[in-house]
This record gives sequence, structure tokens and C-alpha cells, in this order.
Amino acid sequence: ETGVTQTPRHLVMGMTNKKSLKCEQHLGHNAMYWYKQSAKKPLELMFVYNFKEQTENNSVPSRFSPECPNSSHLFLHLHTLQPEDSALYLCASSQEAVSYNEQFFGPGTRLTVL
Amino acid sequence: GESVGLHLPTLSVQEGDNSIINCAYSNSASDYFIWYKQESGKGPQFIIDIRSNMDKRQGQRVTVLLNKTVKHLSLQIAATQPGDSAVYFCAEPNAGGTSYGKLTFGQGTILTVHP
Repeated sequence: ETGVTQTPRHLVMGMTNKKSLKCEQHLGHNAMYWYKQSAKKPLELMFVYNFKEQTENNSVPSRFSPECPNSSHLFLHLHTLQPEDSALYLCASSQEAVSYNEQFFGPGTRLTVL
Repeated sequence: GESVGLHLPTLSVQEGDNSIINCAYSNSASDYFIWYKQESGKGPQFIIDIRSNMDKRQGQRVTVLLNKTVKHLSLQIAATQPGDSAVYFCAEPNAGGTSYGKLTFGQGTILTVHP
């Protein structure tokens, strides 16, 4: 595996379900990111982790809970989501969480909340 | 009910033509900009970047122009090919004044290249 991988690629869940999205990067990077891409808003940053520490929470509702157990893995735990949370969730990584480091994106998880 | 969504600008060109995609920004203190390409079913992919001390930067078949006076940048694609069909985003990592690599994306432009 190379680059940034995300699983699952597609997920359908009910509002009472609990699910998790997984991201793994094989680039030796130290920073990882979650983005949300919906039909109604431009691509927007959700969370940033730098050396396993969360450095940014972009006012994300608590029904989204990130976890970064090591620099290569990032999870997004989902619970009691709303239909408006349906979107493409993209993971990215970079060498460090600084402005001039290129971010590499995974293919995303297409989430549908019923 | 009626769905409400982003109405992305679209650009339709013939194969071999040059394409120009535009982006405006609002923060005059922004000093670094990136263009990303997103193909269907994939995540965004870095194309080219430019720092504010430059007006122009060239890559392979792509050129980015930066006009700080009117806070505008453009992406020019030479000899556009069907494989260039995608959504193109400009992004700036310094919006909000943090140094944590927080990328702010524009809404995107859909480029369609006809053979």
C-alpha cells in the first residue's frame, strides 16, 4: 500500500448507529487531517493532528470524535449522526502540520446517514 | 423538496485548447496559495503552488498567476487533455492566521474537456 488509504469507501448508517472511519498513511508523515466535503459547502477542515496531538478542532459537533493512536493512523468515530452529515469524508497527511507542507489526500469515505 | 447545493462554476473546452480557471481571495495577508485537482471518486491532488513574493510560477503544462493588487489568482492549463477533466480548487493554508496547516478551499470549478 502506498499513499493515504481510507476504509470503508462507502458507508450507510442510521442515525442511532455508531461507526468508525479509518485512515492510514504510508508516507512517514507526522500530521493527519480530517476534511468534510458536502454538496452544500466547500471542502472544509474538521480536525488536525500533529505528532499525535490534536491541534485544530474546527468547531466540529461532538457527534464526531477523532482518534489518532499513532502518526500513521487516524480514526473518526461517528455516533448519533444527522442526515445533513451525509458527505464525503477525506483524510490527508503531511510531513508536519505547517503551512508549506503539501497535504496528500486519501480517496475519501462516502457517508450516507439515513 | 428542492435540493440546495453549491453551484460550481463550469468551464467546458475542446481537447487541445488552453484553459484558464480563476480564483479570488479576500485576505490581503495571504502569502501562499495552492491549486488542487479532484477527479471523480478521488481525493484532491496537489498541482502547483505559489508564494506571494512571486507573480507567476510554471509547471508542466500548468501556470499559476497571482495578482495581489486585485487578490486574484488563476490556473492556466496548456493543451488541455480529456484527463484534465476534474474539479479544480484553489486553497490557502494561512487563512485564519494559524500555522497549523489549516487549508481553506475555494468552492471549485468543474473543467470538462471534450475530445
